[in-house]
Amino acid sequence: EDQVTQSPEALRLQEGESSSLNCSYTVSGLRGLFWYRQDPGKGPEFLFTLYSAGEEKEKERLKATLTKKESFLHITAPKPEDSATYLCAVQAVGATNKLIFGTGTLLAVQP
Amino acid sequence: NAGVTQTPKFRVLKTGQSMTLLCAQDMNHEYMYWYRQDPGMGLRLIHYSVGEGTTAKGEVPDGYNVSRLKKQNFLLGLESAAPSQTSVYFCASKTSTSGQETQYFGPGTRLLVL
Repeated sequence: EDQVTQSPEALRLQEGESSSLNCSYTVSGLRGLFWYRQDPGKGPEFLFTLYSAGEEKEKERLKATLTKKESFLHITAPKPEDSATYLCAVQAVGATNKLIFGTGTLLAVQP
Repeated sequence: NAGVTQTPKFRVLKTGQSMTLLCAQDMNHEYMYWYRQDPGMGLRLIHYSVGEGTTAKGEVPDGYNVSRLKKQNFLLGLESAAPSQTSVYFCASKTSTSGQETQYFGPGTRLLVL
């Protein structure tokens, strides 16, 4: 069964303290892996799409990487405004219209 | 561009009442989706559409109906609301361009069924 597991469930960092969020997945064949940011009371905001192992994407303090079994979202020198829930989703080959979401990592960055 | 918009933002229903949630997108996307988000669970697909006039069932379709009469709009209906349908509902859309798989989400509708 296709599955996505995110860890940790919650993470508290001090401002400037770099860390990584994990997204482990099991799919029959990976078509794409997606990272979203979700603020309280808002919809998921797109961050990155990764399509193949070894691919990396960066945006400001965030960097997403992909292997054949997992993806990491690295947060470098986070700021309080990076506080949010980060969602990971995968799309399997042949499942164009089905995203499988993890339950997210709640990140709190304290000043 | 407004992207994906949803109305209403919040609604309270009594058990057995009906309502329609509206999703609109101005990105000329072919594909549109309805999800629900519940505490401790990932987003789950309710129904989706691959083009005007088409609809298909997702993972949790029971108790919901949808219509896509216009390309830019996707409606989600609850004919007889149940407390189990208390949730946050998100609409998303995606282009049909090959290789462009990213779905873009709306701000959500919070529904409370008493």
